[in-house]
Amino acid sequence: AQSVTQPDIHITVSEGASLELRCNYSYGATPYLFWYVQSPGQGLQLLLKYFSGDTLVQGIKGFEAEFKRSQSSFNLRKPSVHWSDAAEYFCAVRVRGAAGNKLTFGGGTRVLVKP
Amino acid sequence: NAGVTQTPKFQVLKTGQSMTLQCAQDMNHNSMYWYRQDPGMGLRLIYYSASEGTTDKGEVPNGYNVSRLNKREFSLRLESAAPSQTSVYFCASSEARAFAGELFFGEGSRLTVL
Repeated sequence: AQSVTQPDIHITVSEGASLELRCNYSYGATPYLFWYVQSPGQGLQLLLKYFSGDTLVQGIKGFEAEFKRSQSSFNLRKPSVHWSDAAEYFCAVRVRGAAGNKLTFGGGTRVLVKP
Repeated sequence: NAGVTQTPKFQVLKTGQSMTLQCAQDMNHNSMYWYRQDPGMGLRLIYYSASEGTTDKGEVPNGYNVSRLNKREFSLRLESAAPSQTSVYFCASSEARAFAGELFFGEGSRLTVL
């Protein structure tokens, strides 16, 4: 079955430290890949997306993600975390050619930032 | 720009009551979606509408119905609410082009069923 896995439910990081959030997918072919962020009480905002080409993708708020086909992974990184990065992060995939642009989401990783 | 607007933002129901969640988008998008968000489970697709006039089931459609009223509006109806439907519901919209796929989300509707 197709699935998206975010192995870490919670991550606590100190302000100024680096952050890496893991995402693995299980699909027959390379899907379109997305990372969304959800601040408390808010909807989801797109951080970045991968369709094809360069496997290192730059996004908003200083985030980047690297697609690794061999590992079926699309991990999100930020070199130096700010307190405002405390939020929940969702990896999502869309099967190429699927009708309706449906996204399948991982379970999410909640990031806590220590001062 | 309003983007995607959902109403109501909060609702408390008793088991067996019915209600409709309303969603409207002003981005002229063809596709609209309803997701539910539960702790540890991410967002799961309930129903979607790839274009005006069409609706399809998603991953967890049982207990829900939808109506694509026009290009702007997509409503979600709970005919007989159950405690298992306590959740946060998100409406989203997107362009239908194959290479796009970014979803724009509303701020969510928190529903509690007692």
